[in-house]
Amino acid sequence: GESVGLHLPTLSVQEGDNSIINCAYSNSASDYFIWYKQESGKGPQFIIDIRSNMDKRQGQRVTVLLNKTVKHLSLQIAATQPGDSAVYFCAENTNDYKLSFGAGTTVTVRA
Amino acid sequence: GAGVSQSPSNKVTEKGKDVELRCDPISGHTALYWYRQSLGQGLEFLIYFQGNSAPDKSGLPSDRFSAERTGGSVSTLTIQRTQQEDSAVYLCASSLAPRGTEAFFGQGTRLTVV
Repeated sequence: GESVGLHLPTLSVQEGDNSIINCAYSNSASDYFIWYKQESGKGPQFIIDIRSNMDKRQGQRVTVLLNKTVKHLSLQIAATQPGDSAVYFCAENTNDYKLSFGAGTTVTVRA
Repeated sequence: GAGVSQSPSNKVTEKGKDVELRCDPISGHTALYWYRQSLGQGLEFLIYFQGNSAPDKSGLPSDRFSAERTGGSVSTLTIQRTQQEDSAVYLCASSLAPRGTEAFFGQGTRLTVV
């Protein structure tokens, strides 16, 4: 499954399929980006980060892609599992120090 | 401690009362953030502390909100004369450096103003 657009709030994906969550960031001067996962009743948890001198970074089952030309960030989750159900936020580190967060995408994994 | 600790985890208060929310950051982290998250919404920046520098209060929504950080460690967010629109989850985060590093979040304080 794939979310498109700036603020598509939900993504439903079949267990075992790959998920793609998209995020458009606002500040061309941002040079550090983070994806967070937030489960119900918990604070956001770090998933993966990427710096602007990179286009791609891989972690365990997750890949982040950065397209600076169009100011677009994506998170790919391979073989989505029920435990991946959560809200996913992208965050950008602007040219000062603030981490600015996107609106978030709710991912629901269907069994 | 092992992570960012916030207290209380839940707070119910009457409209017009003052509340204090506490954050214990990870030891050694110089940067500390407060965010607010309304139900089903993203994270709204409130205030930022870095070392001994003056805090950035630009995100505080009104003068009823204030925060302090004592000794470069524990932080307290105070909301005076609470209003129903203040109901939200208040999240604290800390990071090792002012930018370019991961921010670790606490579990948050769920504030309900009745």
